[in-house]
Amino acid sequence: ETGVTQTPRHLVMGMTNKKSLKCEQHLGHNAMYWYKQSAKKPLELMFVYSLEERVENNSVPSRFSPECPNSSHLFLHLHTLQPEDSALYLCASSQDLWWDDRGKEQYFGPGTRLTVT
Amino acid sequence: GENVEQHPSTLSVQEGDSAVIKCTYSDSASNYFPWYKQELGKGPQLIIDIRSNVGEKKDQRIAVTLNKTAKHFSLHITETQPEDSAVYFCAASTITGGGNKLTFGTGTQLKVEL
Repeated sequence: ETGVTQTPRHLVMGMTNKKSLKCEQHLGHNAMYWYKQSAKKPLELMFVYSLEERVENNSVPSRFSPECPNSSHLFLHLHTLQPEDSALYLCASSQDLWWDDRGKEQYFGPGTRLTVT
Repeated sequence: GENVEQHPSTLSVQEGDSAVIKCTYSDSASNYFPWYKQELGKGPQLIIDIRSNVGEKKDQRIAVTLNKTAKHFSLHITETQPEDSAVYFCAASTITGGGNKLTFGTGTQLKVEL
């Protein structure tokens, strides 16, 4: 148990659906992240938030839309996804941003296994 | 942009032996190199990192070396144990205070056999 929870754990959606992934951290951290992990591909850092403000958006398609209503919650809204978007989506949090000494230790949630049909 | 290559993709060693995983990067401006361990069903966990102003860093059985000229860095695990079995990821980043990017390698599945 890392203190970071994600729901749902598994999600199957069609290309025309709209769904949202939810992440919650109970650690009092200031930074939160979305990662995409696909088989045989490098882990991708998608979005970085610090105190509810988006700090980094690493060239992610607009069909992925993050939302951070407060420092404990992070959402990833999905719409009109493609089959190649099927992957494990990991949420993480850290005390400060990952490039700060107090942010190097990231705590990951268990992930949402997304399948786009 | 940055490109990180990681080898090997799978590595099997006998318990007690050493394991070495190598990564190369393309952006000479990269200045921070973390390594992560991911166990089955869990997220990645930072195990060691190194900044570009040092050539080697050790933490018990784990060490990382960096060759800035050749643009490669390596993870060394000595006296391997079964609990070291996991996927290991290297990453490279350029930390400049703004527009920081973190690029990962494709991972190495390490299996420590009894």
